[in-house]
Amino acid sequence: AQKITQTQPGMFVQEKEAVTLDCTYDTSDPSYGLFWYKQPSSGEMIFLIYQGSYDQQNATEGRYSLNFQKARKSANLVISASQLGDSAMYFCAMRTEGFQKLVFGTGTRLLVSP
Amino acid sequence: EPEVTQTPSHQVTQMGQEVILRCVPISNHLYFYWYRQILGQKVEFLVSFYNNEISEKSEIFDDQFSVERPDGSNFTLKIRSTKLEDSAMYFCASSEIPAGMNTEAFFGQGTRLTVV
Repeated sequence: AQKITQTQPGMFVQEKEAVTLDCTYDTSDPSYGLFWYKQPSSGEMIFLIYQGSYDQQNATEGRYSLNFQKARKSANLVISASQLGDSAMYFCAMRTEGFQKLVFGTGTRLLVSP
Repeated sequence: EPEVTQTPSHQVTQMGQEVILRCVPISNHLYFYWYRQILGQKVEFLVSFYNNEISEKSEIFDDQFSVERPDGSNFTLKIRSTKLEDSAMYFCASSEIPAGMNTEAFFGQGTRLTVV
């Protein structure tokens, strides 16, 4: 069975600082993809970054990077230089080969303060 | 920038009534999905749809639910005989190619369904 665990219900960070949001996953499938989505208070789901299980390097997209540790089954999201607009809910999700569905974690609410 | 559009943004319905949630996927996308998010909980997969057929569905997607692509642009989720526990945010998503390892699914802004 596929499972995503996000153990931080809430995180606080000051503007311009970096923050790490934790995500661990469980799957027996060797081929999978890991995704991070941002959900602002308006409700939409915004794709941030993707990491494939066979990717040799950690994914980066602007201020977002993914700290992928395959042996530990973790895929933590790092947001550098936090901005007030980063305040939102963040979801980690996984898709395994042969399946259409994304399996989501319970999310982490990030609050960025001035 | 192309986007997935969902209507209505909020729907209130009485228990036992039928509701239809509508989605307009991105125009060149061929694969469509519905997810739901009960308030304060995680996002859950309901169903994926391709070529006028359900390609994958979850345990949640029972006989109460159905999906349809009635024309070339719309994709709908019908919930028959709604229950209080159907109250949730429902997200439509679409992708250009099959949801493979690195295929981004584009999500709509969601429809908040409230069953009273």
